[in-house]
Amino acid sequence: DTAVSQTPKYLVTQMGNDKSIKCEQNLGHDTMYWYKQDSKKFLKIMFSYNNKELIINETVPNRFSPKSPDKAHLNLHINSLELGDSAVYFCASSQGWDQNTEAFFGQGTRLTVV
Amino acid sequence: GENVEQHPSTLSVQEGDSAVIKCTYSDSASNYFPWYKQELGKGPQLIIDIRSNVGEKKDQRIAVTLNKTAKHFSLHITETQPEDSAVYFCAASKGTDKLIFGTGTRLQVFP
Repeated sequence: DTAVSQTPKYLVTQMGNDKSIKCEQNLGHDTMYWYKQDSKKFLKIMFSYNNKELIINETVPNRFSPKSPDKAHLNLHINSLELGDSAVYFCASSQGWDQNTEAFFGQGTRLTVV
Repeated sequence: GENVEQHPSTLSVQEGDSAVIKCTYSDSASNYFPWYKQELGKGPQLIIDIRSNVGEKKDQRIAVTLNKTAKHFSLHITETQPEDSAVYFCAASKGTDKLIFGTGTRLQVFP
């Protein structure tokens, strides 16, 4: 059973389109995250939700909107996609909202904007 | 805010040799230091972590050391094997503050 699963694994789309990436965790964790990993492998947090509430919101363009329908799901919607949005996006989850616990990552979604 | 620097960016070793990756952090209040391993096409996975009340922690061939005074911590892998080849990330955090990752080290172990 996959602990943190995100779909799709690959996403190729044209500039200006709107797309969504879905994430689900079956670990019973309270906290979920979205990270962005660029071409140089830099890994940076974008958002964090605890029990469906936003607790970390980094300096991310408001074209990116996370949605957490319940604590097991955290989806990422991106409007008006730009070339610079091309990256690998990782969903992750952890127990509690203290950052000092292990984060479990999904396999990533490679987004390519053409 | 916290800043984490990681060196080297690439590291090549012969199978059986040891590998050491070093990180420094800027916020003296940081108290949690995990190390993640990312294999090709996969998400990062925690391999070991250390908290600020401990100076060293070992798990089989992997060890992490922490020097709070100097604000640096290191990952040591002994008897490296080809399957240790991956990108390794250090990170630092304190309490509910976000986890800050280092820039990654690509380790290649040659048979």
